[in-house]
Parts: sequence; structure tokens; C-alpha cells
Amino acid sequence: QVQLQESGPGLVKPSQTLSLTCTVSGGSISSGSYYWSWIRQPAGKGLEWIGRIYTSGSTNYNPSLKSRVTISVDTSKNQFSLKLSSVTAADTAVYYCARVILSLGYCFDYWGQGTLVTVSS
Amino acid sequence: DIQMTQSPSSLSASVGDRVTITCRASQSISSYLNWYQQKPGKAPKLLIYAASSLQSGVPSRFSGSGSGTDFTLTISSLQPEDFATYYCQQSYSTPGFTFGPGTKVDIK
Repeated sequence: QVQLQESGPGLVKPSQTLSLTCTVSGGSISSGSYYWSWIRQPAGKGLEWIGRIYTSGSTNYNPSLKSRVTISVDTSKNQFSLKLSSVTAADTAVYYCARVILSLGYCFDYWGQGTLVTVSS
Repeated sequence: DIQMTQSPSSLSASVGDRVTITCRASQSISSYLNWYQQKPGKAPKLLIYAASSLQSGVPSRFSGSGSGTDFTLTISSLQPEDFATYYCQQSYSTPGFTFGPGTKVDIK
């Protein structure tokens, strides 16, 4: 059973960089059958896709966040990471990592439980 | 960019009701449309992928249909555990994926 687990600071100061890691267990992040993605959800609001990474390191980002986002992968640790720079209060949200399965129409079939990140001084 | 809309934004229904939620894309996305269920404090759960394929383990009362720009999620007989928020998501466009704004289903 594949499991994803987000980790990282729950509080980030404005203008600083938010950094989160997603650890994948029960499967290899190096499999060519998946993308690995980050999604966020402000309290009481909908889901916003942040970006995705392939095992090769190839990335795609939400155009609205592209200038501030970096997603990377560490296959040796079976992890992928998110960095979001120059954060403001608007970046306060629950951040989810998720697996995108290519063979099922590029849907998110496994999700982490989510981690709340608050941007505040 | 492809924009997704959902209707209604919320609905009240009773156990046993047939419920239909609509999702519309701003341009054709073929059948690259997925549906998720989210309960408070939990991660979304995949229900339907590729517009009409039922994810393994999901009850058969859930079904999806549509292609192009118009899609529907139907719950044939609403159960107490189905009260949640439902999101559609398009996976057609590059660079990325877009979610609909969600439809909250609550108890009448």
C-alpha cells in the first residue's frame, strides 16, 4: 500500500521560503508510471494545484506560482520536495503531496494527509 | 488556461436521494476529467477517473459521464457517508491540472 507523508515547518515568516518534503513508502518514486505533485488548500477554500515532477526531474508548475516554486526529487530517499519563496499570508494553507498515475488519465490516486503551513510573523 | 466550473456550489439532500453534480470545462478536455470526494479535515479521495471509470474500492452508486466540456457525477442513492465536498479536476492540459471550485453536499 503506497503512503505519502508531508513534513516540514508549520510556521513560516512572511517573505521567507516555505519548504516541505513528501516521503513515499510502499512504492518507488523512481517508477516511470507516475508524476509526483503538490496541491494546496486554504482554509474553507478549494484545491489549487502547485506543480509536479517526474522521476527524471522534469517539472511543470502552476503559471500563477511558477516564479516562486521549485519542486525537486531525491530518489535515494524516495522523497520529493517543495520550495515556495517570498511567502505571504495568502500562502497559508494545508499542503498535500499526491501521486499522479499516468495510466488512469493523470489522476491523483494517492494523497498524503496534508500539513498546515501558516505564514505569520 | 482551462477553467473549470461546477454546479451547484452546494446542495441539500436526503439519504436515498439521487444526486447529480455538473462540471464544465472552458474548452474541450476529451475524457480527461476526474472526480474526488473530500470530507472535513481529510485529504481528497479519488472516485472517478477518465470521466467514467470507477476507482477500485469505490461503491457502485457513484458514476460519472460526459466528454468534451460537460461532465456529471451521479450518486444513485445517497448514503450518510456521502455527505462531503466533491471536486472535479481536468488532466488534459499542459502545463497543469485544474480543479473545479467544489460542490458541498449536506443533509437536508
